[in-house]
Amino acid sequence: EAAVTQSPRNKVTVTGGNVTLSCRQTNSHNYMYWYRQDTGHGLRLIHYSYGAGNLQIGDVPDGYKATRTTQEDFFLLLELASPSQTSLYFCASSRVNQDTQYFGPGTRLLVL
Amino acid sequence: QQQVRQSPQSLTVWEGETAILNCSYEDSTFDYFPWYWQFPRESPALLIAIRPVSNKKEDGRFTIFFNKREKKLSLHITDSQPGDSATYFCAATPGTGGYKVVFGSGTRLLVSP
Repeated sequence: EAAVTQSPRNKVTVTGGNVTLSCRQTNSHNYMYWYRQDTGHGLRLIHYSYGAGNLQIGDVPDGYKATRTTQEDFFLLLELASPSQTSLYFCASSRVNQDTQYFGPGTRLLVL
Repeated sequence: QQQVRQSPQSLTVWEGETAILNCSYEDSTFDYFPWYWQFPRESPALLIAIRPVSNKKEDGRFTIFFNKREKKLSLHITDSQPGDSATYFCAATPGTGGYKVVFGSGTRLLVSP
């Protein structure tokens, strides 16, 4: 079974703070995704990547940067956090785009 | 612009009844439709998926019905069990020229014993 881990699991920061969310998958998947989940909106795609060094813009990218350093590691960066970015963040990976996505346990971020 | 729509937002059925969850989409290039379910305080996980070459996909008590002409899908859960209580997400992926998955906003299902 695919293994996707995220860190930290919970994070509290202040408005204007700098936050990095980390994701690692150990199943040699090509695709990795960052989503945010908010009540009433389901899962919204922030950024995704189909390989090391590749980055694609998702549907709600404003205020977020991402970097895929290796096939295993995908990072989400919030350089000037705002309260509107308070959310539950999921990372996911898949072998190819039309394939099962395996989700990490999520990171709950609170921006005060 | 919401490319994948789900209805109802929430649904309550009695144990043993059939729950019907609806999904519609706009982009005709979508050709892979997975359904994910998410239990409280857990991550989404794949439940069942369909490609438009079929108009029906079954997996035990879970069946997807697909209408390509109307761009609609529905997930039928027969003999619903309390353990089926979860949020169900319909999603869609284009076949060519795109890599991302578009999720609907979800249907929260409660099965009462």
